[in-house]
Amino acid sequence: DTAVSQTPKYLVTQMGNDKSIKCEQNLGHDTMYWYKQDSKKFLKIMFSYNNKELIINETVPNRFSPKSPDKAHLNLHINSLELGDSAVYFCASSPGTSGNTIYFGEGSWLTVV
Amino acid sequence: GENVEQHPSTLSVQEGDSAVIKCTYSDSASNYFPWYKQELGKRPQLIIDIRSNVGEKKDQRIAVTLNKTAKHFSLHITETQPEDSAVYFCAAFSGGDDKIIFGKGTRLHILP
Repeated sequence: DTAVSQTPKYLVTQMGNDKSIKCEQNLGHDTMYWYKQDSKKFLKIMFSYNNKELIINETVPNRFSPKSPDKAHLNLHINSLELGDSAVYFCASSPGTSGNTIYFGEGSWLTVV
Repeated sequence: GENVEQHPSTLSVQEGDSAVIKCTYSDSASNYFPWYKQELGKRPQLIIDIRSNVGEKKDQRIAVTLNKTAKHFSLHITETQPEDSAVYFCAAFSGGDDKIIFGKGTRLHILP
């Protein structure tokens, strides 16, 4: 049983396309995140939701839109994909926001060509 | 906001030797410091963490130390083994920003 699962694991798409990555956690956590890991391996937070409410929205282009239908799911939709969007996107969850362990999903490798 | 600096970016040690990775943080209100290990092609996974009310924590071959006054914390791996080769990330939880900020990672190579 995967605690934080995200799909798809690999995604190759052309510039200008719109794509979505889905994430689900079965840990009963209140908080979910999207992180971006670029080619230099830097891990940067993009968004954080707590009980379906957006609490962190870093400086991310408007082309990225998260959606949390319930606290177990956090999806990421990306419009008008650009070459620079190529990265690994990690979904994650934690019991709450205050200094709790973050559990990562297996990552979604996005390549924009 | 919080800023976490991590050094070195790359570290090579002989198998059996010790490895030390150091991080500094800027927000004196930060109170939680996890370390994550990321193997090639895998997800980051928590290996050890420490809270601000503790100066040192040990779990078998890994230990973390925290100096709140100097605002730095370190990861120590003793008797390194080939499976310790990975990228290690330190992080700090900033209560002010209500988020965990990651360092830029250290690529650890264990040499045979």
